[in-house]
Amino acid sequence: EAGVAQSPRYKIIEKRQSVAFWCNPISGHATLYWYQQILGQGPKLLIQFQNNGVVDDSQLPKDRFSAERLKGVDSTLKIQPAKLEDSAVYLCASSLVLGESTGELFFGEGSRLTVL
Amino acid sequence: DQQVKQNSPSLSVQEGRISILNCDYTNSMFDYFLWYKKYPAEGPTFLISISSIKDKNEDGRFTVFLNKSAKHLSLHIVPSQPGDSAVYFCAASDQTGANNLFFGTGTRLTVIP
Repeated sequence: EAGVAQSPRYKIIEKRQSVAFWCNPISGHATLYWYQQILGQGPKLLIQFQNNGVVDDSQLPKDRFSAERLKGVDSTLKIQPAKLEDSAVYLCASSLVLGESTGELFFGEGSRLTVL
Repeated sequence: DQQVKQNSPSLSVQEGRISILNCDYTNSMFDYFLWYKKYPAEGPTFLISISSIKDKNEDGRFTVFLNKSAKHLSLHIVPSQPGDSAVYFCAASDQTGANNLFFGTGTRLTVIP
């Protein structure tokens, strides 16, 4: 079974530039998450989708971050304009069904962003 | 506000001995707890979980203990193996339907051969 796919793996940009990350969840997984992991910290949820609808985006800095999950499969996370403090690994995860809470999320390898 | 805390950033253990990783939480609404393991340049992978109705869950060499009154859980690895060297994250959920996980800051375990 293919895992969660993310791209690009690494991205270096200058502040005020924009960047986009892509995620393809495990086939059949209805719930998709974007987490931000800053160096030395644990992952922090940015946004959660159930199919193509947003369940929770309370921690998403909406002035600069946006995310979409068209057709309820792939998702993109965009940052525009980027700030130095956005340097982090952006992890995409998926799970089978909202509320089917084994709590087991399957994570991708992450996209490491460096903002100079 | 860090609701899940792992106060030991690192731990070194000899191969074959027991590794004990600790985690504390502050939110009394949390009722499901998980441990994730992370190797460099990889995403976290699920290791073991425990529901608040239990105080212990075992899976092979891994055992998680939950002390609800102390808001504390621990992961025991016996015997420790060099392949266990990784960063371990504790996570918690309140299962209110959002299925959001709150993660600790991680503990880097090094198992010395």
